[in-house]
Amino acid sequence: DTEVTQTPKHLVMGMTNKKSLKCEQHMGHRAMYWYKQKAKKPPELMFVYSYEKLSINESVPSRFSPECPNSSLLNLHLHALQPEDSALYLCASSQVRDSAYEQYFGPGTRLTVT
Amino acid sequence: GEDVEQSLFLSVREGDSSVINCTYTDSSSTYLYWYKQEPGAGLQLLTYIFSNMDMKQDQRLTVLLNKKDKHLSLRIADTQTGDSAIYFCAESMASNSGYALNFGKGTSLLVTP
Repeated sequence: DTEVTQTPKHLVMGMTNKKSLKCEQHMGHRAMYWYKQKAKKPPELMFVYSYEKLSINESVPSRFSPECPNSSLLNLHLHALQPEDSALYLCASSQVRDSAYEQYFGPGTRLTVT
Repeated sequence: GEDVEQSLFLSVREGDSSVINCTYTDSSSTYLYWYKQEPGAGLQLLTYIFSNMDMKQDQRLTVLLNKKDKHLSLRIADTQTGDSAIYFCAESMASNSGYALNFGKGTSLLVTP
């Protein structure tokens, strides 16, 4: 099983809302990632968790707040977003955070900020 | 990171072979990956190659690696309409904060009947 699941599939939120994106994997992977992908662009890394600890934050604005409650779950809390934050948000996981281990991606959450 | 270069668009006829090319940046990359993304979907890992290999074949997919020129290619034999998608190559890069994937801009493959 190489499945990474993400909920919701689609989300529309206003600029004053607070919402959360969820990601789950049951492959025993200890590294989990959030990426942002704009239309017709490659994914851009936002956050990396390794053994439930944040190890990379690629200068992401504080209106995005990640959380890794346990080794299977990864959340992305959203608050006071801007319209330019509208994008596909992808979660991925790998066995560990090492180049030898491929990353498996979820289907993404399509976020629209109005 | 620096740009991983890919041609943006490729059109082939069903049954022909497709070749998608990529030039990567980091000669120390240990693994190079090919991902497929269908419209509105996430990324699907297709295949990967270790940097000490020249070629890897997996059913209809053949990956060629020229490490000297930092050139990677993906050949899809007997291309089908279901292969229409965006294909991203990615290199594993070491940075101050550890390992990360550096993606190319993606090649949009259109397969016509």
